[in-house]
Amino acid sequence: GAVVSQHPSRVICKSGTSVKIECRSLDFQATTMFWYRQFPKKSLMLMATSNEGSKATYEQGVEKDKFLINHASLTLSTLTVTSAHPEDSSFYICSARGTATYEQYFGPGTRLTVT
Amino acid sequence: KQEVTQIPAALSVPEGENLVLNCSFTDSAIYNLQWFRQDPGKGLTSLLLIQSSQREQTSGRLNASLDKSSGRSTLYIAASQPGDSATYLCAVYLVGTDKLIFGTGTRLQVFP
Repeated sequence: GAVVSQHPSRVICKSGTSVKIECRSLDFQATTMFWYRQFPKKSLMLMATSNEGSKATYEQGVEKDKFLINHASLTLSTLTVTSAHPEDSSFYICSARGTATYEQYFGPGTRLTVT
Repeated sequence: KQEVTQIPAALSVPEGENLVLNCSFTDSAIYNLQWFRQDPGKGLTSLLLIQSSQREQTSGRLNASLDKSSGRSTLYIAASQPGDSATYLCAVYLVGTDKLIFGTGTRLQVFP
């Protein structure tokens, strides 16, 4: 149980375009979802926390107009990178948490490359 | 502000050695501590989760301990194998928030 998927696993886009990444909880209802970013050989940095039906809470230094997060249902959250630039290239990982535990379950990650 | 540090940053050992990876955190107000494994270019695999009331957890060749008062956790890997080569991350769940704060990671290489 507690499986989280992400789609796509890899995406390459041109500078200036927008990219949407989906995070789904497959076998549980995720009241809270989290988005992390990971630079090469670095640890995970929390970008934002989203609760179903509410606006996301962004960490300090994360541009909310650039990284749009939508958590419209209990099994789906999306991260849209708007007007992507090469410096947005990174590994994006989502996680999901149900109601019964603090434990977060992680997706497999999405590798974004902006050319 | 909670800071999580892992030592060493990198480790290279021959197969068969017993290893200890260290994790320290600055604020002892945590719910749980979790150890993850990450293979290159991949997501996270949860290894062990220790609740704040526990002192250790074991799974196969892995044993994780937690000392909240001193802000430390260790991951012990017995009889290491080349397949154990990966980056190991510890993370703490903060009291009063939903946040999970990750450590700096230890890159482990086990050579035959």
